[in-house]
Amino acid sequence: AQSVTQLDSHVSVSEGTPVLLRCNYSSSYSPSLFWYVQHPNKGLQLLLKYTSAATLVKGINGFEAEFKKSETSFHLTKPSAHMSDAAEYFCVVTTGGSYIPTFGRGTSLIVHP
Amino acid sequence: NAGVTQTPKFQVLKTGQSMTLQCAQDMNHNSMYWYRQDPGMGLRLIYYSASEGTTDKGEVPNGYNVSRLNKREFSLRLESAAPSQTSVYFCASSALGGHEQYFGPGTRLTVT
Repeated sequence: AQSVTQLDSHVSVSEGTPVLLRCNYSSSYSPSLFWYVQHPNKGLQLLLKYTSAATLVKGINGFEAEFKKSETSFHLTKPSAHMSDAAEYFCVVTTGGSYIPTFGRGTSLIVHP
Repeated sequence: NAGVTQTPKFQVLKTGQSMTLQCAQDMNHNSMYWYRQDPGMGLRLIYYSASEGTTDKGEVPNGYNVSRLNKREFSLRLESAAPSQTSVYFCASSALGGHEQYFGPGTRLTVT
């Protein structure tokens, strides 16, 4: 069984300040974890993925995430927010080659000028 | 290289009407998926196709049918549309199950 919880439905930051989007997961086996971004009225785009290699994963647009097995977390961070980062972010888990990914409910990132 | 394409982009149906949403990918991926997205619910899997010739139900299959026409194409059919099927529908593909997915731009469906 697998599940994912995004701990915040909305996160609001000022431009130039750090971003932290939190994700906890539950998985019976070694998970694969993903972060996707969805801009308004668009499809989802892969930001980064963890598949049992390095625990610190770097993605596009300056985002990165750290896999912490002991905390069952995969939080997404960025040192400095940009206005263009305003979007919906989804944390996703799959387990053991399963064809069925489980999506979190999403976190809306709001960036203020 | 268009990635994943979906048609139509928008559709309005009356209750009881039928329609088919089309999806195609040009990345030679084995697996394809249909999701619906509703506010506050994230994405919910309707059906998926692990490989050409196979289809399986996801979390919310009731009221839908699918066809994996060939490796490239995966269609979703609503036989008798209901207002509860008003949603945004996304098609996705992946090289194999458990790998990263590539999403289409979505179809915005309203059932009145």
